[in-house]
Amino acid sequence: GESVGLHLPTLSVQEGDNSIINCAYSNSASDYFIWYKQESGKGPQFIIDIRSNMDKRQGQRVTVLLNKTVKHLSLQIAATQPGDSAVYFCAENRGPGGYQKVTFGTGTKLQVIP
Amino acid sequence: DAGVTQSPTHLIKTRGQHVTLRCSPISGHKSVSWYQQVLGQGPQFIFQYYEKEERGRGNFPDRFSARQFPNYSSELNVNALLLGDSALYLCASSLRQDHNEKLFFGSGTQLSVL
Repeated sequence: GESVGLHLPTLSVQEGDNSIINCAYSNSASDYFIWYKQESGKGPQFIIDIRSNMDKRQGQRVTVLLNKTVKHLSLQIAATQPGDSAVYFCAENRGPGGYQKVTFGTGTKLQVIP
Repeated sequence: DAGVTQSPTHLIKTRGQHVTLRCSPISGHKSVSWYQQVLGQGPQFIFQYYEKEERGRGNFPDRFSARQFPNYSSELNVNALLLGDSALYLCASSLRQDHNEKLFFGSGTQLSVL
């Protein structure tokens, strides 16, 4: 069935290093992807999005790469900081008929080591 | 500016009871969606409402219902509560109903069913 999932459940990174969080999707018709950050006790926070007509998009300290050939998505965080510690979800926003239905993966927990 | 607000923040109910959760979207946002997040998993889509009409529904039983009011706020109702309904219930809003609109999430209502 269709799914959006993550390769690794937990990622530990030294403060100041770059982090890379990977994600695979199975629906080749997917055309809009989002990365969310969720801190404990809070709702998911939008980080960055990318549409299928792009293969790279950059934000502040974050870059999302999309490889449609292998149906793979990654989130790169530059100079990881303790405040980046959270669970990161890649998600696809697509519902039958075009309405909103965000399908989340199980998430990757990023732990930043001071 | 106020983000998506949800009330209450925490709620304890017993099996068989019903519950009503409330959500106020960001000012100007006309679309409201509801998600259920069980501990350790990504959020699961329940409903999307736009202009007071249901636009999409996830794989949840009829015990779950929702509505949207003229001021675009929304309620999620769950009847005949089961232990498995214990979860964080998230509300998200967006300007429009399109699938490539950014979703902004509230901090959720933590529901515990005993």
